[in-house]
Amino acid sequence: GENVGLHLPTLSVQEGDNSIINCAYSNSASDYFIWYKQESGKGPQFIIDIRSNMDKRQGQRVTVLLNKTVKHLSLQIAATQPGDSAVYFCAETSYYSNYQLIWGAGTKLIIKP
Amino acid sequence: EAQVTQNPRYLITVTGKKLTVTCSQNMNHEYMSWYRQDPGLGLRQIYYSMNVEVTDKGDVPEGYKVSRKEKRNFPLILESPSPNQTSLYFCASSLDRDGDYGYTFGSGTRLTVV
Repeated sequence: GENVGLHLPTLSVQEGDNSIINCAYSNSASDYFIWYKQESGKGPQFIIDIRSNMDKRQGQRVTVLLNKTVKHLSLQIAATQPGDSAVYFCAETSYYSNYQLIWGAGTKLIIKP
Repeated sequence: EAQVTQNPRYLITVTGKKLTVTCSQNMNHEYMSWYRQDPGLGLRQIYYSMNVEVTDKGDVPEGYKVSRKEKRNFPLILESPSPNQTSLYFCASSLDRDGDYGYTFGSGTRLTVV
């Protein structure tokens, strides 16, 4: 089956530094990608999305980069804060997967004071 | 407040005793979906619905049923729960199947089957 996976299961970052969370996907036909944040005891929360016709999209303190050549997705969080501590998931979908979300395993982001 | 509401939040039940987990959204979303989340396995889709009276199997539908009689509600039914269905369950909805504008998730239902 198609895979969407993350390079690092745990990422520790100093408060105030920038965080970069990476994700690899294998379906070159994927056309829509989403990043979610899941805090302990809560459901996943939409952060930002990007379509395959874009290579960069910015939100508030977050930027998603898409490199279709190497099938790589990244989430950049600027000036990381304690409230950013969570597990981050990338998800991929496409017309060919009937637009079902295919989820990565998740990366746990730990903020060091 | 726009939200997806699941009930109950926690449930402990015995093998074979039918149960229903309710899910309701107040955003007039067409697309709704159920996921289970297990350690090391991430989120796996159980069933989804693209609109009223339209439901389809996800990746792990065995042992589950759903219904979509109204747009806002999408209950998950376990006719005869088994211990391997012990998991954290999430309901989600979105404007359309694409997930445009993002999926909104409920707070989760932690189910334990003994």
